[in-house]
Amino acid sequence: GENVEQHPSTLSVQEGDSAVIKCTYSDSASNYFPWYKQELGKGPQLIIDIRSNVGEKKDQRIAVTLNKTAKHFSLHITETQPEDSAVYFCAARATGGGNKLTFGTGTQLKVEL
Amino acid sequence: SAVISQKPSRDICQRGTSLTIQCQVDSQVTMMFWYRQQPGQSLTLIATANQGSEATYESGFVIDKFPISRPNLTFSTLTVSNMSPEDSSIYLCSVGSPNTEAFFGQGTRLTVV
Repeated sequence: GENVEQHPSTLSVQEGDSAVIKCTYSDSASNYFPWYKQELGKGPQLIIDIRSNVGEKKDQRIAVTLNKTAKHFSLHITETQPEDSAVYFCAARATGGGNKLTFGTGTQLKVEL
Repeated sequence: SAVISQKPSRDICQRGTSLTIQCQVDSQVTMMFWYRQQPGQSLTLIATANQGSEATYESGFVIDKFPISRPNLTFSTLTVSNMSPEDSSIYLCSVGSPNTEAFFGQGTRLTVV
């Protein structure tokens, strides 16, 4: 089955700096890669996603890149703000796999003033 | 995106008892999933709730412990049976359709004492 690894487990940045979180996946059949933000006491919120026919996608301060050959994808947050502090999860899904998501282990992002 | 309501949002239960968690969606969805998130951990899929048929369970999860119902395309329940402290987790309902985004409810935070 699919295995998703995520790094780093914790990340601390100064407000205004950029943050990068990286994930690798094992199943070459995976073709959909969402990123979720989870704030304390809340459910995961979808913030951006990318499909395997696209190499990069951007939405304001966040962007995701995908390298299918290397089986890795990354989340980039620019101009970080204190409200970006949360746990971020990457995930992967393969068509035909029952639409099930396999999640990474999560990254605790802390944006310091 | 779909609006997902989970009840209860949290509960404290005695060991040996059972708790049923409800998931209501504001629109018909093809697929509904139940995830478990143990304290400080990532999300693990428990099962896919199938409308009109038995749920499909992931390895390590069994129907006797986590019975699931899905009577229609907008509602599902997950029961955590014969609870022990090890069942203390956040239980999350997720919905989606093939090749579309997956959205999560706010979760049910369960503490077993």
